Amino acid sequence: SQQGEEDPQALSIQEGENATMNCSYKTSINNLQWYRQNSGRGLVHLILIRSNEREKHSGRLRVTLDTSKKSSSLLITASRAADTASYFCATDNQAGTALIFGKGTTLSVSS
Amino acid sequence: GAGVSQSPSNKVTEKGKDVELRCDPISGHTALYWYRQSLGQGLEFLIYFQGNSAPDKSGLPSDRFSAERTGGSVSTLTIQRTQQEDSAVYLCASSLGGLVGTQETQYFGPGTRLLVL
Repeated sequence: SQQGEEDPQALSIQEGENATMNCSYKTSINNLQWYRQNSGRGLVHLILIRSNEREKHSGRLRVTLDTSKKSSSLLITASRAADTASYFCATDNQAGTALIFGKGTTLSVSS
Repeated sequence: GAGVSQSPSNKVTEKGKDVELRCDPISGHTALYWYRQSLGQGLEFLIYFQGNSAPDKSGLPSDRFSAERTGGSVSTLTIQRTQQEDSAVYLCASSLGGLVGTQETQYFGPGTRLLVL
């Protein structure tokens, strides 16, 4: 069963704009991860944020985590056409042995 | 190796046939995972191997699905008597395995696209 749900399902922006994607989950977590998937390719890990962290940065990426609201957001600043991809959040399953992914947000960045 | 590799990259089979999908994890990674991604969907966990421990098979959708990992490295996912609903991309991932699986970054292979006619 799905744990994380991304919002919006699809997002279209212009190059240079910021993109914000949200993720909500249902049960308590140890950490939350964001992955990117280019069309027809495997997933690439972007960021892991632990349950005791509130914010994390990596280059143009900023991830926040609010465990009280069971939600996370991924912000991509100054987007580029190469950022066009699907973005997934993933949280632990109850056994802590694997990730549960949402359906993803499809981001389109046009130049 | 440089990354997780999977073979074949594409597989077309007829309903009722058996298929085997292969995953070569990153050298030194003791944890290995299989996921399935149906069209337009997120990833669905199938099975998790960690070292010599018994695998977590809780995600396997039916007894037609099985997986093994020989020598703690290469893994094979077998689907017996394939059905059309088995059509999906099957993704393999590995991680170092030093921590409980979800505490670590998972590195994904490119996937095997399975089409059951």
